Amino acid sequence: SQTIHQWPATLVQPVGSPLSLECTVEGTSNPNLYWYRQAAGRGLQLLFYSVGIGQISSEVPQNLSASRPQDRQFILSSKKLLLSDSGFYLCAWSVEPVEETQYFGPGTRLLVL
Amino acid sequence: AQKVTQAQTEISVVEKEDVTLDCVYETRDTTYYLFWYKQPPSGELVFLIRRNSFDEQNEISGRYSWNFQKSTSSFNFTITASQVVDSAVYFCALFVEGSNYKLTFGKGTLLTVNP
Repeated sequence: SQTIHQWPATLVQPVGSPLSLECTVEGTSNPNLYWYRQAAGRGLQLLFYSVGIGQISSEVPQNLSASRPQDRQFILSSKKLLLSDSGFYLCAWSVEPVEETQYFGPGTRLLVL
Repeated sequence: AQKVTQAQTEISVVEKEDVTLDCVYETRDTTYYLFWYKQPPSGELVFLIRRNSFDEQNEISGRYSWNFQKSTSSFNFTITASQVVDSAVYFCALFVEGSNYKLTFGKGTLLTVNP
């Protein structure tokens, strides 16, 4: 069966510091991968998605970036965090070529102080 | 553009009551998929159901049931005999083919089931 991991689970970072969040999927090959952010107030915002290694599409311009160095690894990064980057970051995967259901990881809670 | 509206921000019920969570969607496409996810306090979004636009059959899974009506663009979710463990935020979402894999989420409904 497929599983998705995210780490760290919780992170407290100062403004201006770098960020690296990692997501890995097991039990499937060539998944579509997604990064979402959930700010206070519950709304889910799609940040990035990837259909393959090195292929990243951005939904919202911001100071975040994403990379996919391996088939089942998706990384969310920032060179300098802003206060507004605080939130709950969720990684998700779906089956390639097109399987509409997205399955979510446990999430990372980020607090920028 | 697609849109999902969950008009109920918060619902509070007493255990064993039935509760219905409303979801109204907007899309001009004829092929689309609707979803419900549950987000318990731990934060992880748990997939509950997927329904495609060509299948209006209602579905029942244990205490959960879903009513899909294209005529009113609604995909409502009913929990029968609610339990405290049902307390969570519930999200309705819409996927349209050709939308760059984007799931459009509603803002969620916080369900609190009191003992």
